[in-house]
Amino acid sequence: AQSVTQLDSQVPVFEEAPVELRCNYSSSVSVYLFWYVQYPNQGLQLLLKYLSGSTLVKGINGFEAEFNKSQTSFHLRKPSVHISDTAEYFCAVSAGGGGATNKLIFGTGTLLAVQP
Amino acid sequence: GAVVSQHPSWVICKSGTSVKIECRSLDFQATTMFWYRQFPKQSLMLMATSNEGSKATYEQGVEKDKFLINHASLTLSTLTVTSAHPEDSSFYICSARSGGTQYFGPGTRLLVL
Repeated sequence: AQSVTQLDSQVPVFEEAPVELRCNYSSSVSVYLFWYVQYPNQGLQLLLKYLSGSTLVKGINGFEAEFNKSQTSFHLRKPSVHISDTAEYFCAVSAGGGGATNKLIFGTGTLLAVQP
Repeated sequence: GAVVSQHPSWVICKSGTSVKIECRSLDFQATTMFWYRQFPKQSLMLMATSNEGSKATYEQGVEKDKFLINHASLTLSTLTVTSAHPEDSSFYICSARSGGTQYFGPGTRLLVL
C-alpha cells in the first residue's frame, strides 16, 4: 500500500519569492507521483507528474518537482510565485505499472497563501 | 486534451429525494472512472471505482445502495445519491483515467436541505 505525507498544511509566502511544498511518500512497489492544484470551489488540475525517466519534472505555471527515490520525496518548487498561485496543492501517489484500477492516494493538502 | 466534465456543477435538493451526477470524458475514452467526496478544507476521499460494463468497486464504509454508480459507456459514468439527507451534502468530484494519469472534473456541490 502507498501513503503520502504533506507536512505543511499552510505555506505563507510573499509575491515573487521562491516556494517549496514538501511531499514524502511510502511504498513497497514502484510509484507514479503527481501534484494537483485546486482553486476555491473547483476540481483538481494536474500540475505535473512523474511516471518514469528524468527525475526532474516540469509542469504548468512554472512549477517543477524532483523525484528523489532515496529520500522518498517529490517536493514541488517554483522560483517566483504570483498572487494567482494561491490555492490548495495536493500531492498524490499511485502504484506504478499503469494498472487501470490503480488508486490515487492523496496527501492532506498544502494551502499556498501568496501575499503581496 | 484529457478534459473531464461534470453536470450539474451544483444542486440543491430536498431531503429524501435522489440526485444524479454525470461525469464525462470529453476527448478520450475511459474504461475506469473514480468518484471522490471532499469535505471543506479536507483532502479527497475515494468513494468508488467505476468500471465500464461492470459493477463499481466501493471503498470500505461507502454504502453501495445509497451511492449508485453506473458506467454505461466509455465516456460516461453517473453517480446517483439516493434518498439524500443533509449529511450527504458535500463536494463530489469524478476523475477519468488516461494512461497512468487521472484527470479530474470540476466537481459538483450538493446541498441537501
